[in-house]
Amino acid sequence: DQQVKQNSPSLSVQEGRISILNCDYTNSMFDYFLWYKKYPAEGPTFLISISSIKDKNEDGRFTVFLNKSAKHLSLHIVPSQPGDSAVYFCAAYNQGGKLIFGQGTELSVKP
Amino acid sequence: EAEVAQSPRYKITEKSQAVAFWCDPISGHATLYWYRQILGQGPELLVQFQDESVVDDSQLPKDRFSAERLKGVDSTLKIQPAELGDSAMYLCASSLVRGSYNEQFFGPGTRLTVL
Repeated sequence: DQQVKQNSPSLSVQEGRISILNCDYTNSMFDYFLWYKKYPAEGPTFLISISSIKDKNEDGRFTVFLNKSAKHLSLHIVPSQPGDSAVYFCAAYNQGGKLIFGQGTELSVKP
Repeated sequence: EAEVAQSPRYKITEKSQAVAFWCDPISGHATLYWYRQILGQGPELLVQFQDESVVDDSQLPKDRFSAERLKGVDSTLKIQPAELGDSAMYLCASSLVRGSYNEQFFGPGTRLTVL
């Protein structure tokens, strides 16, 4: 049972344009969401998070949007840079404090 | 900058052999996690420690996997015997305290290949 889903395995964007990565979840009790970025041969690194009491959180070029009614969140990267090329994981904390990850989306930013 | 250390980075073994992975969390982090990431999937929690105690090992295949954190600092994850399906990236993470909203810091992982 995949509780956090990233339905797009890959995304290709031109440098300078917007990257939009999507994530859906099934458990309405999830109350805190995170995005992690992972480069090859490295562990995931924390990027940005959002609490369920908010619908938007912004940090520089990165913005996360949360739509609780749709159980959907998205990560916007503006403008996209070649160094943003990585695998992005959406994750959510369940009621027991366990972090549940999506399958990941591989972003490729072309110069 | 403090980091989570893991070794080895890569391990190739034959099925039915024993393997062990080591993790040293960020100093002062009470909570330690072992995750398994199969190619094309997200990390999945295997075991979580609070200091030296296991607080969640519900997804750990206990017939072949074991984990310990004897002094509440570094940790070892063992597989015996290894099976072909164990080929994956094994990630260790740590956080300052247990529970939601606490950022988990990940190590570089150990890539296991079972032949």
